Amino acid sequence: AQRVTQPEKLLSVFKGAPVELKCNYSYSGSPELFWYVQYSRQRLQLLLRHISRESIKGFTADLNKGETSFHLKKPFAQEEDSAMYYCALVYNFNKFYFGSGTKLNVKP
Amino acid sequence: ETGVTQSPTHLIKTRGQQVTLRCSSQSGHNTVSWYQQALGQGPQFIFQYYREEENGRGNFPPRFSGLQFPNYSSELNVNALELDDSALYLCASSFMTGRDNEQFFGPGTRLTVL
Repeated sequence: AQRVTQPEKLLSVFKGAPVELKCNYSYSGSPELFWYVQYSRQRLQLLLRHISRESIKGFTADLNKGETSFHLKKPFAQEEDSAMYYCALVYNFNKFYFGSGTKLNVKP
Repeated sequence: ETGVTQSPTHLIKTRGQQVTLRCSSQSGHNTVSWYQQALGQGPQFIFQYYREEENGRGNFPPRFSGLQFPNYSSELNVNALELDDSALYLCASSFMTGRDNEQFFGPGTRLTVL
């Protein structure tokens, strides 16, 4: 069975500090992983996906199959990064399994 | 191009009643997925419809049912409501072409069961 774990419910950092949001997964197949973000009073939206290997808003995430992790990183946090972040695993062809989310709070 | 819309925004029902939630997919999308998001949790997959047929179901009882229409709009029906059904219900649409299909989410319907 698939599982996504985001161990931190809340992560608080100061502006300019590095950020790492943790995501670990369990899946017997070949994993496809996403990060979704929800800003205050906005809908859930895609931040990035592992296969594109792109950087969005300064965020990157590398799939580590050995450690079964897909941590989200940003070298210098900005106040506008404050939001809920969800790690999601795709299974059985386009079904999404979401983690419980991490609230990122970037303090001025 | 319009985004995913959901109606109603909020809904209050009592235990035992039935509810229908509606979703209008993003233009050009042929797949819709429904999720339940309880307070403090991530979205949980309920089921998915592709070209009007159910295309997968999560761990939800049969009293959760759905429909997808020829115009790809969709409904989520919940019978015999229970207090634990109180949650935000999200729909997400996508165009299924293969792997890695980005899902576009609606704003959700907040259901409260008293």
